[in-house]
Amino acid sequence: GAVVSQHPSRVICKSGTSVKIECRSLDFQATTMFWYRQFPKQSLMLMATSNEGSKATYEQGVEKDKFLINHASLTLSTLTVTSAHPEDSSFYICSARDLSAPYLNEQFFGPGTRLTVL
Amino acid sequence: SQQGEEDPQALSIQEGENATMNCSYKTSINNLQWYRQNSGRGLVHLILIRSNEREKHSGRLRVTLDTSKKSSSLLITASRAADTASYFCATDRMNSGYSTLTFGKGTMLLVSP
Repeated sequence: GAVVSQHPSRVICKSGTSVKIECRSLDFQATTMFWYRQFPKQSLMLMATSNEGSKATYEQGVEKDKFLINHASLTLSTLTVTSAHPEDSSFYICSARDLSAPYLNEQFFGPGTRLTVL
Repeated sequence: SQQGEEDPQALSIQEGENATMNCSYKTSINNLQWYRQNSGRGLVHLILIRSNEREKHSGRLRVTLDTSKKSSSLLITASRAADTASYFCATDRMNSGYSTLTFGKGTMLLVSP
């Protein structure tokens, strides 16, 4: 149980285009999902916290107009990288907390999406 | 800002040896978690230790937590080549009303056959 999927796993796009990444909790409901980015050989940096039905909370330094987050249901959150540039190339990872077991304080991570902007 | 700092940054050992990784943090926490990441892949949750716990075991893993020193260690006993991966500690704390994870920089573990 507690599986989180991401789609696509890899995406290559041209500079200036927008890319949407989906994060789904497959067998549990998640009111809260998190989006991270990871540069090569570096740690995960939290970008934003996404709550179902409300606006996302962005970390300091993360442009909300560039990284659009939508959490339309208890099982789906999307991250759209708008007007992507080569410096946005990174590994984007989402995670989710199980609504039925918040006391466990465990986040379940997706497999990540490798974005390459040419 | 980075909360956790792991050391060493890289560790190379032989199969059968034990691997110890350390993590330090700066603020109060609800719990501390260790994750594993194979190259270019997602994270796998290894173990969670609460702030009122001092030691926890899971198979070949042993985690300690010293809240007075704001540090934790992860011990992998009898390591295997398949343990080769990056290991991250993550502190779980309340941030603007949400419980969030802050990851350390990670330790790259290489276990040679």
